[in-house]
Amino acid sequence: AQSVTQLGSHVSVSEGALVLLRCNYSSSVPPYLFWYVQYPNQGLQLLLKYTSAATLVKGINGFEAEFKKSETSFHLTKPSAHMSDAAEYFCAVSGSSGTYKYIFGTGTRLKVLA
Amino acid sequence: DAGITQSPRHKVTETGTPVTLRCHQTENHRYMYWYRQDPGHGLRLIHYSYGVKDTDKGEVSDGYSVSRSKTEDFLLTLESATSSQTSVYFCAISSHFSLVQVMNTEAFFGQGTRLTVV
Repeated sequence: AQSVTQLGSHVSVSEGALVLLRCNYSSSVPPYLFWYVQYPNQGLQLLLKYTSAATLVKGINGFEAEFKKSETSFHLTKPSAHMSDAAEYFCAVSGSSGTYKYIFGTGTRLKVLA
Repeated sequence: DAGITQSPRHKVTETGTPVTLRCHQTENHRYMYWYRQDPGHGLRLIHYSYGVKDTDKGEVSDGYSVSRSKTEDFLLTLESATSSQTSVYFCAISSHFSLVQVMNTEAFFGQGTRLTVV
C-alpha cells in the first residue's frame, strides 16, 4: 500500500531563509508524487508534480522538489522564503498504473517570520 | 481554475439527520474523489469514483455513501450524521491520463464544504 510521511507538522523560517519541507513515500511501484499548498479557508492548489520525466521538478512560486528513489524522498525547497509562502503544504502520492487514488501526508504548516 | 463546484459551502446539521454534499465538475474528468480534512490527519479519502456508477471505498468510508449517476456529479451522503463527522469535505477530480508527452496526473480540488454536526 502506498503511504506518505511528512516530517514536522510545523516549520518556522525567517523571511529570506531556505525553506525545506520533508516528504518520504512508500510505494511498490514507481509513483507519481505531488506537492500541494493550501491557504487559509481555501482548497488545495498544485505546486508541482513528479511524473518520472525529470528528477528535479520546478513548480510555481519558486518552489522545487527533487525525487530521490534511493532515499524514497521528495523534499520541497525554496531558496528564499517570502511572507506570502505562509500556508499548509501537503505531499501526495498516486500510483503509476491501476491505482488512481491520491494518498496525502498529514501536512506541514509553514510559518514565515519577519 | 478547474471547474469544480461544491455545494453547500457551509452546513450545520443535527446529529442523526441525513446530509448530502454535492460535487459538480465541468471538466469531463473520469475520476472523482471525496476527502475529509481534519487537523493532524491531513486529507483522508472517503470514497472515489472511476466512472458513472463505478465507485469504491477509501480509508474512512464508514458512515458515508456515494453516488455518481452522471459524469459531472458526485454526491456524498452521510446517512445519519454524527459529531465525529464534523469536518471540512473536499471534492477532487482527475483525468489521471499519462502518455509519454502528456502527463495529466494531478488532482484538482474544490473549495471545500465545512460541515458541523451538533
